Amino acid sequence: KNEVEQSPQNLTAQEGEFITINCSYSVGISALHWLQQHPGGGIVSLFMLSSGKKKHGRLIATINIQEKHSSLHITASHPRDSAVYICAARFNNDMRFGAGTRLTVKP
Amino acid sequence: SAVISQKPSRDICQRGTSLTIQCQVDSQVTMMFWYRQQPGQSLTLIATANQGSEATYESGFVIDKFPISRPNLTFSTLTVSNMSPEDSSIYLCSVVWRDEQYFGPGTRLTVT
Repeated sequence: KNEVEQSPQNLTAQEGEFITINCSYSVGISALHWLQQHPGGGIVSLFMLSSGKKKHGRLIATINIQEKHSSLHITASHPRDSAVYICAARFNNDMRFGAGTRLTVKP
Repeated sequence: SAVISQKPSRDICQRGTSLTIQCQVDSQVTMMFWYRQQPGQSLTLIATANQGSEATYESGFVIDKFPISRPNLTFSTLTVSNMSPEDSSIYLCSVVWRDEQYFGPGTRLTVT
């Protein structure tokens, strides 16, 4: 069983919709990352969280340490948001990755 | 932030040959990581490369197949040796800098 579980696996949305991607992990972590991977393969780090909430533009990431759960929200989604979003949890010096959520935003 | 570049960005190689992937960082970093992402899969750590010491390989990965060099604090190479079609993947270099993890643009390898 993967220690980092993401849902949904695939998500299709209409432009403008509010999107939520969820991530759960099974053990205590030192930090949680949300990553974005575009079709070319390169990965961009969107957020690193150890508590609370962070916002960058239309992206919001939250984490609940007690519930071992994090969410990534995208407001006013746009076709350029189409990508794979990966949750990654850092356990000391180990990074464990979720399977990713493939988001497609249709115009 | 730390900016990472990788070369080549993509390559198509023949079975049995080897490919060396380069990773360059614009900041000095202690820890560098090499990941593999097979088609449709998430990232799998191949090894951790710290300057001045031997790379540490994860279970299922061996030095003869994936030799790594780390000559200084800004550069590393990963060689994929004696390639087979199963080695077709994206290979990603990653670093930890100021407690944040950064990823390179990836090298997309296809083995025919």
